[in-house]
Amino acid sequence: SQTIHQWPATLVQPVGSPLSLECTVEGTSNPNLYWYRQAAGRGLQLLFYSVGIGQISSEVPQNLSASRPQDRQFILSSKKLLLSDSGFYLCAWSAAGLEEKLFFGSGTQLSVL
Amino acid sequence: GQQLNQSPQSMFIQEGEDVSMNCTSSSIFNTWLWYKQDPGEGPVLLIALYKAGELTSNGRLTAQFGITRKDSFLNISASIPSDVGIYFCAGRGGGSYIPTFGRGTSLIVHP
Repeated sequence: SQTIHQWPATLVQPVGSPLSLECTVEGTSNPNLYWYRQAAGRGLQLLFYSVGIGQISSEVPQNLSASRPQDRQFILSSKKLLLSDSGFYLCAWSAAGLEEKLFFGSGTQLSVL
Repeated sequence: GQQLNQSPQSMFIQEGEDVSMNCTSSSIFNTWLWYKQDPGEGPVLLIALYKAGELTSNGRLTAQFGITRKDSFLNISASIPSDVGIYFCAGRGGGSYIPTFGRGTSLIVHP
């Protein structure tokens, strides 16, 4: 069966520090991968998605970047965090052609202080 | 871009009550989805709808794809405490294969 792993679960970082969140998927090949952000009291905002290794599409211009160095690995990064980067970050995957069926990780709660 | 209006924003109900929530769109969708997010977790897909007028159930949950293709409804019958969470609608259409999410309905069930 397929599983998605996302870490860390919580993270407290100072303003201006770098960020690296990692997500890996097991049990499937060539998944579509996604990063979402959920601000308090708001919905899910799509940040990045990838349909293959090295292919990244950005939905919202911002202080963050994403990379997909391996088929089942998706990384969210920042060189310098801003206060506004605080939020709940979710990684998700879907099978190609079944993009409506998203499978989410358990999320990372990021607090930038 | 596509926008979804989900209502109500929050609901506080007694155990055993039925729940109704809905989602409307400014655009026509060809797929409607309902997800549930438990506190501190990622959302989980509850129901997927693919055809206008379609009515689909998953246990005590029933969802409908509106005839106009611009809305969808979710009903929960005989609510229980574990129904607590945030319910998201999502729609897909207009050439985008990635669903657009609503802002969610937060449900609290009092025992």
